[in-house]
Amino acid sequence: AQTVTQSQPEMSVQEAETVTLSCTYDTSENNYYLFWYKQPPSRQMILVIRQEAYKQQNATENRFSVNFQKAAKSFSLKISDSQLGDTAMYFCAFMKYGQNFVFGPGTRLSVLP
Amino acid sequence: KAGVTQTPRYLIKTRGQQVTLSCSPISGHRSVSWYQQTPGQGLQFLFEYFSETQRNKGNFPGRFSGRQFSNSRSEMNVSTLELGDSALYLCASSPDLALDNEQFFGPGTRLTVL
Repeated sequence: AQTVTQSQPEMSVQEAETVTLSCTYDTSENNYYLFWYKQPPSRQMILVIRQEAYKQQNATENRFSVNFQKAAKSFSLKISDSQLGDTAMYFCAFMKYGQNFVFGPGTRLSVLP
Repeated sequence: KAGVTQTPRYLIKTRGQQVTLSCSPISGHRSVSWYQQTPGQGLQFLFEYFSETQRNKGNFPGRFSGRQFSNSRSEMNVSTLELGDSALYLCASSPDLALDNEQFFGPGTRLTVL
C-alpha cells in the first residue's frame, strides 16, 4: 500500500519570504500523480499544484512550485513571496491511475505579518 | 458552475444512532469520493462512486456505506454511531477520477457524536 509522509507538522514563515514543505511517499508504482492541496481555516480544500510522475519537469503555478525527485520519492512544495492568505493546512497526496487518493498527515503553515 | 455542496454542514448525534450525509457534485462530474478527516488520523478515504457503482473502497467497517444516484448525487450512511465517528466528512467530485484526476472538494459535514 502507498503511504505519504509529511515530516513537518507545523511551520511558520514571514510574509514575503519563501518556505518549503516536505513530502515523501512510498510506492512500487511507476505511473502515478502527486498533488498538493491547501485547506484554509474553516474553508474548502483546494488544489494547489499537481505533478504527473512521467514528467521530469517540475510543475509550477505562479508562486507555487514543486521539487519532484522520483528516484528519492520526494515531492516538496515551495511557496515564494508568502502571503497571509497562504496560511492553511497543506496536504500532499498520491494517486495511482484509477485508484483513490492517499493523503499525508498535513503541515500547518502560518504566515506571519 | 456551482461547486460541490454538502448537507448538512453540522450534525450532532448520539451513540447508537445512524446518520445520512449528502453530497451534490459539480454539474457534469460523475465520480464522487468520500473522506473522513480527524485530527489524529488525517484524511482517510472511505469510498468512491462512479455512475452509481462503488468503484473503490477504503478500510472502514461495514457501518459505513454509501450510494450514488443517477444524477450523480451521493449519500453516505453511518449506522450505530460510535464516539470515534466524530469527524469532518468531506466529499469530492471529479469528471472521472480514473481519467481526469483533479478532485474538487466540498466544505464538509462536521459530525459530532455524543
